[in-house]
Amino acid sequence: GAGVSQSPSNKVTEKGKDVELRCDPISGHTALYWYRQSLGQGLEFLIYFQGNSAPDKSGLPSDRFSAERTGGSVSTLTIQRTQQEDSAVYLCASSLAGAVNQPQHFGDGTRLSIL
Amino acid sequence: AQSVSQHNHHVILSEAASLELGCNYSYGGTVNLFWYVQYPGQHLQLLLKYFSGDPLVKGIKGFEAEFIKSKFSFNLRKPSVQWSDTAEYFCAVIPDSWGKLQFGAGTQVVVTP
Repeated sequence: GAGVSQSPSNKVTEKGKDVELRCDPISGHTALYWYRQSLGQGLEFLIYFQGNSAPDKSGLPSDRFSAERTGGSVSTLTIQRTQQEDSAVYLCASSLAGAVNQPQHFGDGTRLSIL
Repeated sequence: AQSVSQHNHHVILSEAASLELGCNYSYGGTVNLFWYVQYPGQHLQLLLKYFSGDPLVKGIKGFEAEFIKSKFSFNLRKPSVQWSDTAEYFCAVIPDSWGKLQFGAGTQVVVTP
């Protein structure tokens, strides 16, 4: 079946522009996660959605970052006024539920480059 | 700060050699432990996981890992590697009851023919 789908696969933009990254989770998965993979920082948790609960935003690095999940399915990660340090691969994952014993399935990521 | 530490950033070894990648974590209480692998050009995949029970867990592709609670460790092993094991390996912990993963920095493993 279909896995986690992310778009675009690559995004190049100028410093100061806003970007939107999209994640389509596996159908039926109620938990959705965003992570960031960057040189020197490794893989960092950003934000977590579980069903209709308030999202866990504890990993967002600044108020320029926000995310929403509409209808409990598709999620959009928005970065406003991008900076060069935002360059990274942004990964989305989903799982059947937020419980620890539910494996997370990762997408291929969006490679974001800020010029 | 609580963290996940992987001992080696780069490992180079020959086919048929044995592999052991170290992972230590600093979270207290009950932890849930994972190893993920990222093959070149592919997405992250779950290699194996430990929640409870037998501390020696077996995963896909001949990998295994041992949870040693007293050492806060979860080392990954494979007795005989293949060229196709060339990848980046990430140790990860879910330190609480919710699913957000805390990753180590990763170990790049290169297996030479």
